[in-house]
Amino acid sequence: DADVTQTPRNRITKTGKRIMLECSQTKGHDRMYWYRQDPGLGLRLIYYSFDVKDINKGEISDGYSVSRQAQAKFSLSLESAIPNQTALYFCATSDPARGPNQPQHFGDGTRLSIL
Amino acid sequence: GQQLNQSPQSMFIQEGEDVSMNCTSSSIFNTWLWYKQDPGEGPVLLIALYKAGELTSNGRLTAQFGITRKDSFLNISASIPSDVGIYFCAGQLPGAGSYQLTFGKGTKLSVIP
Repeated sequence: DADVTQTPRNRITKTGKRIMLECSQTKGHDRMYWYRQDPGLGLRLIYYSFDVKDINKGEISDGYSVSRQAQAKFSLSLESAIPNQTALYFCATSDPARGPNQPQHFGDGTRLSIL
Repeated sequence: GQQLNQSPQSMFIQEGEDVSMNCTSSSIFNTWLWYKQDPGEGPVLLIALYKAGELTSNGRLTAQFGITRKDSFLNISASIPSDVGIYFCAGQLPGAGSYQLTFGKGTKLSVIP
């Protein structure tokens, strides 16, 4: 089983719809992250969470919201999807208990297309 | 935000050749990470570097943390077809509890058999 699981893997939806992307992890890590990947732009941080109920904005949080109700789960929502939110979305985790600056580990991504 | 300049943007090489790619920044980083992304999958960590000057190998891959802490390179020796993918560098800023990774835009590697 994958350590970081994202659902769905692919989603096509229409402008204005509310979308939720789910991420769950079995690594027991406290920190979780949501990134967006666009061609030629690399990965950009949307939101991150250091613990349950802790939520912090990243570089590009506008138009997105997140929820961290359990250590293992971190969901990303698009309240009213727009076409320029079409992208590949990645969830990641890291474990600060092992020391500072621990690497982040990524899920396999959700490909989201908004028509 | 911080900027990482990763080069080259793409490269085509013959199987068996060595490959080199690098990242530079105007900021000092505490940590340099190199990831590889295969089509349809998430980035997978290849090498993590934590000290200036550190040189670390992982099989045919070698990466170095630059002395100035503003750059890093990744070398792949004797490339094989499964090396195909996009390679990303990522840097982490100094500071207690620092969390945020800044990613380069990636180097797309194609290996010609």
